[in-house]
Parts: sequence; structure tokens; C-alpha cells
Amino acid sequence: GENVEQHPSTLSVQEGDSAVIKCTYSDSASNYFPWYKQELGKRPQLIIDIRSNVGEKKDQRIAVTLNKTAKHFSLHITETQPEDSAVYFCAWSEGGGNKLTFGTGTQLKVEL
Amino acid sequence: KAGVTQTPRYLIKTRGQQVTLSCSPISGHRSVSWYQQTPGQGLQFLFEYFSETQRNKGNFPGRFSGRQFSNSRSEMNVSTLELGDSALYLCASSPQGRTGELFFGEGSRLTVL
Repeated sequence: GENVEQHPSTLSVQEGDSAVIKCTYSDSASNYFPWYKQELGKRPQLIIDIRSNVGEKKDQRIAVTLNKTAKHFSLHITETQPEDSAVYFCAWSEGGGNKLTFGTGTQLKVEL
Repeated sequence: KAGVTQTPRYLIKTRGQQVTLSCSPISGHRSVSWYQQTPGQGLQFLFEYFSETQRNKGNFPGRFSGRQFSNSRSEMNVSTLELGDSALYLCASSPQGRTGELFFGEGSRLTVL
């Protein structure tokens, strides 16, 4: 099956710094790229997504960029806060349903 | 509006047994997907149901099956349980017209002894 490479696997930043997580996919037919946040013991929650006809999308402190030529997309979190500490998963879908392929996850820790 | 509800939340089974997990989607959502989450394999897609029909299927053996009822509630069944089936099973529903936007339940944590 198709894969999504996600880096880094762990990321530790100081409060107020920025965090960047990058994913690389392999299927050029993919057209939807969501990011999910999963706090310890909780359900994954969609935090932002981007579709293939857009290069960048921003929502307050989080943004996602997509480079279809290079087949990678990134999550950017600015002014990080302790409540941003969680595991973040990238995912992609080639459309026609809700079958998502997920990345391996990034454990983000925001330190005071 | 109530979120996605999964039952049971926790269960323990022994090898060879079978298990049935239940999922009630958000009201109005007709698509229900199931995912398996393990520390080693991460989140893996099992199958998706829409209007009582399986629309997509992941790469899991035939021991894993599911169905959807006319009220959009869904069940998944795992027969002949193996130790490796121990995992968090997540159900997600999706609103029509917003493909890929999944609303997850809290999950059913299955332990196979």
C-alpha cells in the first residue's frame, strides 16, 4: 500500500517557539491532506486540512503547506503552548471515500 | 449534538474467541469508518461503510468484518482472536460532502490474552 513518511518522530520545543512537522507521500493521486492531534488517552481530532488545489492554509496559530511537485506537506505551529503537547498525525486520501492513510505520528512536547 | 459513541470501551478476550464492537455515528452522518491503532503499526484503516454498503476495505484478514444498519450505526467483528489483535479500535463518522473529515469516537480497547 501507499505510505506516508512523517518526521520527526519526537519534537521538543520551548513554549513560544515554532514547531514544524513534515510528511512525504507517494501517491500522486492523493488530493486531501488532513492533520490530526491526539492527546494522551484521547481520540484523534482534526485540527486542519488542505486539499490539492491549495498551496497553503492557515488557522490562527497553525498552518499547513502543500508541495505537490515534491509530494510533501507540512504542519506549522507558531507560538507553541503547553496544551499543544500531543501526538500529531498527518494523513492523506485519494478521494472517493473516507479511507485515510496515516503517518507514523510525531510526539510534540512543549516545555515551559 | 452528541459525538461518536463506541461500546464497549474496554474488553478482555482470550485467543480464539470472537468480539463485536459497536459504533453510533454523529446524527446525520452516513459514513462510518473503522481504524485499528497500535503502538507498532499506528493508525490503520479497516473498512468504511456508507448507506449500509462497504465502500472501502483495508488490508486486514477476513477475520475482520463489519456491517452498517439502516440507522447508520455500525458494528465490527473479529473472529478467532489472536494476540496481535490487541489494539484500540477507533470508529469515525464523516458528514456527507466533506470527504476525509473524520470525527472519531473514544475507541474500544481490546486486550487479547
